[in-house]
Amino acid sequence: EAGVTQFPSHSVIEKGQTVTLRCDPISGHDNLYWYRRVMGKEIKFLLHFVKESKQDESGMPNNRFLAERTGGTYSTLKVQPAELEDSGVYFCASSQFSDKYFGPGTRLTVL
Amino acid sequence: QKEVEQNSGPLSVPEGAIASLNCTYSDRVSQSFFWYRQYSGKSPELIMSIYSNGDKEDGRFTAQLNKASQYVSLLIRDSQPSDSATYLCAVLTGGFKTIFGAGTRLFVKA
Repeated sequence: EAGVTQFPSHSVIEKGQTVTLRCDPISGHDNLYWYRRVMGKEIKFLLHFVKESKQDESGMPNNRFLAERTGGTYSTLKVQPAELEDSGVYFCASSQFSDKYFGPGTRLTVL
Repeated sequence: QKEVEQNSGPLSVPEGAIASLNCTYSDRVSQSFFWYRQYSGKSPELIMSIYSNGDKEDGRFTAQLNKASQYVSLLIRDSQPSDSATYLCAVLTGGFKTIFGAGTRLFVKA
């Protein structure tokens, strides 16, 4: 069974540009989560989808971040416009119940 | 006080020894607890989950939970160099949010 996949694995952009990250959860997992780890800090929750609905988006830093999960399958996280402090590793995870399975992450560098 | 606290380490143990990793949490109504292993540059990998007080064993790994003390630990028996990684404690809080600790770096010396 395929695990959680994320694309791209790395992204380097300039401040002010837009970047879209994609996550494909494990097939059949209704729950999809986005997390971010800034260097030297803990993994921080961003938001949680149940199917196509946003269950909890309290961790989204500001309105430059927009997450979607159309059709309840894959999800995208768009950062527009990107700022320097957005650099970090963005992880996606999926679960059917409590156990979350993480994707490989997207390392975002904003210059 | 952080919601989930771990000693950042590094914790260094010789090969074959028992590695003991500890975690405390602040939300008393937390019900689910997880240990993840993260190799450098890789994603967190779930290795243990525990939901009730006591011990849960899986191979060389034993998770221990004490809800009264708000404490969860991970023991790794017969530590191997391949166990060298950062171990993340994660807690599903009463608010149904998973909070991660900062992780403990473990080095197993051959």
